[in-house]
Amino acid sequence: GEDVEQSLFLSVREGDSSVINCTYTDSSSTYLYWYKQEPGAGLQLLTYIFSNMDMKQDQRLTVLLNKKDKHLSLRIADTQTGDSAIYFCAERTGTASKLTFGTGTRLQVTL
Amino acid sequence: GAVVSQHPSWVICKSGTSVKIECRSLDFQATTMFWYRQFPKQSLMLMATSNEGSKATYEQGVEKDKFLINHASLTLSTLTVTSAHPEDSSFYICSARSLAGGPDTQYFGPGTRLTVL
Repeated sequence: GEDVEQSLFLSVREGDSSVINCTYTDSSSTYLYWYKQEPGAGLQLLTYIFSNMDMKQDQRLTVLLNKKDKHLSLRIADTQTGDSAIYFCAERTGTASKLTFGTGTRLQVTL
Repeated sequence: GAVVSQHPSWVICKSGTSVKIECRSLDFQATTMFWYRQFPKQSLMLMATSNEGSKATYEQGVEKDKFLINHASLTLSTLTVTSAHPEDSSFYICSARSLAGGPDTQYFGPGTRLTVL
């Protein structure tokens, strides 16, 4: 089945690293994505990782994938106030291109 | 690249009226577009998959006669909420599928906030 879980809230201080976690249940996931949503706006694609990869780094973003444990994480280095938003992980399975979204994690960055 | 627009960004209507929301891919062609709704502080729920030139595929529990989807061209899909009621008030977000230059990825529009009085 498809079920993607995230913790609801994370608060970090500006300049620290943020780690947002995601767990999923469908082992046939092909790609996993991280999206950012600012208040009242749509979703912005941040990064993605193919399911046969363990890690992907893109500037301040590092994605780690533990396929055995079905665990995905997003690390944001040097977190800034502009990073405050809701972060959704999403998995794509099969050939239908449908995405299943996680519950979203609200990241609050404090000074 | 990969910009998706939605119009209108917000709309307020009276109960019983119909509302049309447009989703456009501005710099790429999208054979497939998706329509989601999002309730406050909740995740996105897929409503339907819209394929250019064919009927949309609706998710279980979504009334196809209430949420009419038309995907008339490779850059435009529309969602019409017919006979809207207050419980239809929500944030509606579309996405467009792109295969260009990377994996199968969905790019999202900015969303349309619908309020039904």
